[in-house]
Amino acid sequence: EDQVTQSPEALRLQEGESSSLNCSYTVSGLRGLFWYRQDPGKGPEFLFTLYSAGEEKEKERLKATLTKKESFLHITAPKPEDSATYLCAVLDYNTDKLIFGTGTRLQVFP
Amino acid sequence: KAGVTQTPRYLIKTRGQQVTLSCSPISGHRSVSWYQQTPGQGLQFLFEYFSETQRNKGNFPGRFSGRQFSNSRSEMNVSTLELGDSALYLCASSARQGTTGELFFGEGSRLTVL
Repeated sequence: EDQVTQSPEALRLQEGESSSLNCSYTVSGLRGLFWYRQDPGKGPEFLFTLYSAGEEKEKERLKATLTKKESFLHITAPKPEDSATYLCAVLDYNTDKLIFGTGTRLQVFP
Repeated sequence: KAGVTQTPRYLIKTRGQQVTLSCSPISGHRSVSWYQQTPGQGLQFLFEYFSETQRNKGNFPGRFSGRQFSNSRSEMNVSTLELGDSALYLCASSARQGTTGELFFGEGSRLTVL
């Protein structure tokens, strides 16, 4: 059965303190791995798509990487406005369904 | 360009009632999918529609149903509401014909069942 596990559940950082969020997955056929950001009271906002091991994508202070079993979202020198819940999702070739992890709630303090 | 619009944003129902939620996708998007989000379970896939046809369905009971109209607008219905149906219901649209993870979400309809 497809599974997506995100860690840690919550992360508190000081402004400027870099860190990484983890998304590990079990899927029979990975069609793509996706990162989203969700602010309180809002719907998720799409950030990145990764298709194959070794692939990397960057956007401002965020960089997403992918291996055969997990993905990392690296946050470099975060700012308070980066505070949000970050969601990871995988799309399985066989089921054609998007499976989400439960997210990492990131708080960045000035 | 207007985003995905969901109505109503908030609603309160009692057990046994039914509810209909509406979703207007981004103009030109023909794929609409629905998700249920709860604190314990995260986002769970309900169903996906493309050109008025249900293309995929999640593991939810038959009380959950949906449809898509010719203008790509979509509705989902939950009958015989239970307390556990309290959740944020999110609609997402996509311009792609095939299933994709690159979705544009609305702000959701928050349903409370008393």
